[in-house]
Amino acid sequence: AQSVAQPEDQVNVAEGNPLTVKCTYSVSGNPYLFWYVQYPNRGLQFLLKYITGDNLVKGSYGFEAEFNKSQTSFHLKKPSALVSDSALYFCAAGLLISSGSARQLTFGSGTQLTVLP
Amino acid sequence: VTQNPRYLITVTGKKLTVTCSQNMNHEYMSWYRQDPGMGLRLIHYSVGEGTTAKGEVPDGYNVSRLKKQNFLLGLESAAPSQTSVYFCASSWDYNSPLHFGNGTRLTVT
Repeated sequence: AQSVAQPEDQVNVAEGNPLTVKCTYSVSGNPYLFWYVQYPNRGLQFLLKYITGDNLVKGSYGFEAEFNKSQTSFHLKKPSALVSDSALYFCAAGLLISSGSARQLTFGSGTQLTVLP
Repeated sequence: VTQNPRYLITVTGKKLTVTCSQNMNHEYMSWYRQDPGMGLRLIHYSVGEGTTAKGEVPDGYNVSRLKKQNFLLGLESAAPSQTSVYFCASSWDYNSPLHFGNGTRLTVT
């Protein structure tokens, strides 16, 4: 069974400082990984994904994530946080069976990011 | 992705339907429920018109995909444990980013 852990329910960071939102996964095989962001009373929005290739993935709004196979992690990062980045962030993982074929995503429990002015 | 209604209050035992439609010609559609501290859990999904399959938490729910653009979520007999926020999502396939609706907040008393 696959699982995703987001060990921090809440992350606070000052505006202008770098931010990291942590995610670890357990997938029996090659994973494919996503980060989504949720603003209040809205659905989730796609930020970035990793399937294969470079371990550093760049996404929307200046976010990036680093895939680390040995540590089974996919942490979300941004060099300089903005107050508008305050939101709920979800990591998701699935099993990549073959090119163009995959299994269902499993979502983490979410991390509330608050960027303080 | 458009979901209706956005808010729904009902009583135990009532039958209800939540609708979802997408105009992106996506093959894959799914229903999730979101509960505090538990992330999103997959209820049912569909890989194309006329197909449906069970997800992680299917009990008490049914779905139908009679047309490619629509994916309906039904509760035959609503229960308080089904109080939650429900999200519909669609994508080209499993690997592609999901496009989410804005959610339906269901309260069962």
